[in-house]
Amino acid sequence: ELKVEQNPLFLSMQEGKNYTIYCNYSTTSDRLYWYRQDPGKSLESLFVLLSNGAVKQEGRLMASLDTKARLSTLHITAAVHDLSATYFCAVDGNNDMRFGAGTRLTVKP
Amino acid sequence: EPEVTQTPSHQVTQMGQEVILRCVPISNHLYFYWYRQILGQKVEFLVSFYNNEISEKSEIFDDQFSVERPDGSNFTLKIRSTKLEDSAMYFCASMNTRSYEQYFGPGTRLTVT
Repeated sequence: ELKVEQNPLFLSMQEGKNYTIYCNYSTTSDRLYWYRQDPGKSLESLFVLLSNGAVKQEGRLMASLDTKARLSTLHITAAVHDLSATYFCAVDGNNDMRFGAGTRLTVKP
Repeated sequence: EPEVTQTPSHQVTQMGQEVILRCVPISNHLYFYWYRQILGQKVEFLVSFYNNEISEKSEIFDDQFSVERPDGSNFTLKIRSTKLEDSAMYFCASMNTRSYEQYFGPGTRLTVT
């Protein structure tokens, strides 16, 4: 069974600092997703990573995928308060999506 | 910009009752999904649907659950006899098969009393 582990589960950052969220998964997969969820809201798609070595960037967020290590990272550069949210990674086993537990990010001024 | 819609936004039902949650996926998408999220917890996959049949389902998706695409636009999730533990947020999603991006609807909050 596909398992997805995300860490840390809670992250409190100062504005302007950098940090990385990690997502490990247990079996081979073609697709890895990163989502953002604000409290009481739905999931917003951030990135879809489709191949080994894939790197995507949007604003202060950059995601990468290493399929050999079964690891994806979401790097936050110079955090701002607006990035406060819960971030989920999800792995598509075979149209069978498994989510990590989520990282609750709080960015403090 | 096209989006996934879901109705109702909130449904309250008594234990043992049947509920139907409705979704309208983005019109040219071919893969559809249902997920649930118990308050404050992680998102759980229920079922994927392609070409008018179930593609994959999780261990949560037992005989109490069913999905249907009754017409060309709606995608429904039925829970036959609700339990207290079915209380959760239910999200529908559809996938763009060129980008593989999944778009989530706003969710239906189901409360079973």
